[in-house]
Amino acid sequence: QSALTQPRSVSGSPGQSVTISCTGTSSDVGGYDYVSWYQQHPGKAPKLMIYDVNRRPSGVPDRFSGSKSGNTASLTISGLQAEDEADYYCNSYAGTYTYVFGTGTKVTVL
Amino acid sequence: QVQLVEFGGGVVQPGRSLRLSCAASGFTFSNYGMHWVRQAPGKGLEWVALISYDGSYKYYADSVKGRFTISRDNSKNTLYLQVNSLRTEDTAVYYCAKGGGSSWLPFDPWGQGTLVAVSS
Repeated sequence: QSALTQPRSVSGSPGQSVTISCTGTSSDVGGYDYVSWYQQHPGKAPKLMIYDVNRRPSGVPDRFSGSKSGNTASLTISGLQAEDEADYYCNSYAGTYTYVFGTGTKVTVL
Repeated sequence: QVQLVEFGGGVVQPGRSLRLSCAASGFTFSNYGMHWVRQAPGKGLEWVALISYDGSYKYYADSVKGRFTISRDNSKNTLYLQVNSLRTEDTAVYYCAKGGGSSWLPFDPWGQGTLVAVSS
């Protein structure tokens, strides 16, 4: 299983919006609506931010939203805040109970 | 609240074995599939293994198949990962994560991780 492709880094000023892409294949992202996104601050465990493409767990700000088109999923952070600076990873179900993560994206708040 | 605590990591020589544990609390452990995910130093996340709620089904990443074994003891609310024939490329923080509903996704929550360092 090859890792899903994410941009190495994205950046934005406070209050702006940033979008992180996650590109896979028809065997993973394109084949299932089981894409999730995780936020990881340095030295910390990952935290679920979005699941099932666009569903937000309770407690996650509505500034975070997810979408998917074809083999590419996206995470958008609107109204960027300083605490959003972190690494973000997408994940997709890849069939037969196997799972693949993205390469990870560092979000920098300027 | 749901809590997962991993332990059992350490420094080990190549070719040796280790058993990692993950103690779960705050939810009905026997109702959920559980995952192991690892992260090499400075690298991204890699899914390692999944075990079904009752232990009857186990799935592995190709990179660990045949060397790692996932298991669970529902009477002790504990998840395990037996890691054998360790290689330097197995050096990573190993996280356990609770699986969700459909296809045992998403991974939520995660434990704090335990570091396995393979070095001679």
